[in-house]
Amino acid sequence: TQLLEQSPQFLSIQEGENLTVYCNSSSVFSSLQWYRQEPGEGPVLLVTVVTGGEVKKLKRLTFQFGDARKDSSLHITAAQTGDTGLYLCAGLSGNNRLAFGKGNQVVVIP
Amino acid sequence: NAGVMQNPRHLVRRRGQEARLRCSPMKGHSHVYWYRQLPEEGLKFMVYLQKENIIDESGMPKERFSAEFPKEGPSILRIQQVVRGDSAAYFCASSRDTQETQYFGPGTRLLVL
Repeated sequence: TQLLEQSPQFLSIQEGENLTVYCNSSSVFSSLQWYRQEPGEGPVLLVTVVTGGEVKKLKRLTFQFGDARKDSSLHITAAQTGDTGLYLCAGLSGNNRLAFGKGNQVVVIP
Repeated sequence: NAGVMQNPRHLVRRRGQEARLRCSPMKGHSHVYWYRQLPEEGLKFMVYLQKENIIDESGMPKERFSAEFPKEGPSILRIQQVVRGDSAAYFCASSRDTQETQYFGPGTRLLVL
């Protein structure tokens, strides 16, 4: 079983601050996807990273895929209350299964 | 340009009844995946289907669970003789091809009384 560890599990910050959350694994993935999940809803895709070392930006969100394609980070600049949510990373392996971490619960306080 | 659709969104069943969960993939997607999310747990893979074929069902319990994706109509995840431990959120995802991004539906929350 390929496991992804996400840290920290829970993070609370003030609006306007920056934050970084991490997704680590001992397994290599063909790609890695980040989703955000709101209570009672399904995961909504934020980004897919494919190439080792790749960096993708989505407005104030910056995603990085590790050189070895085993880990990733998500950095949020100047957090807003709308960024509150559960951030899930999921690694795609050769058998087309997504292996999920348990998520980073982010709370942005106004 | 509808996304992945799932129904019902909420389903309540008594122990021993059957639960049928439906999933319509995104337009143009022929690969469907089912995942289960138990309380306080991450999403876990259950089964991967292409039209009329089960590609990988190794994540699905051998007893009581079955899945299909017929040539016409939605994919169905069927749970027979439900037990309390089946209470969970069941998510369907679809992709256009293998090794491509999977997009998720809103899920069906099953509660077994």
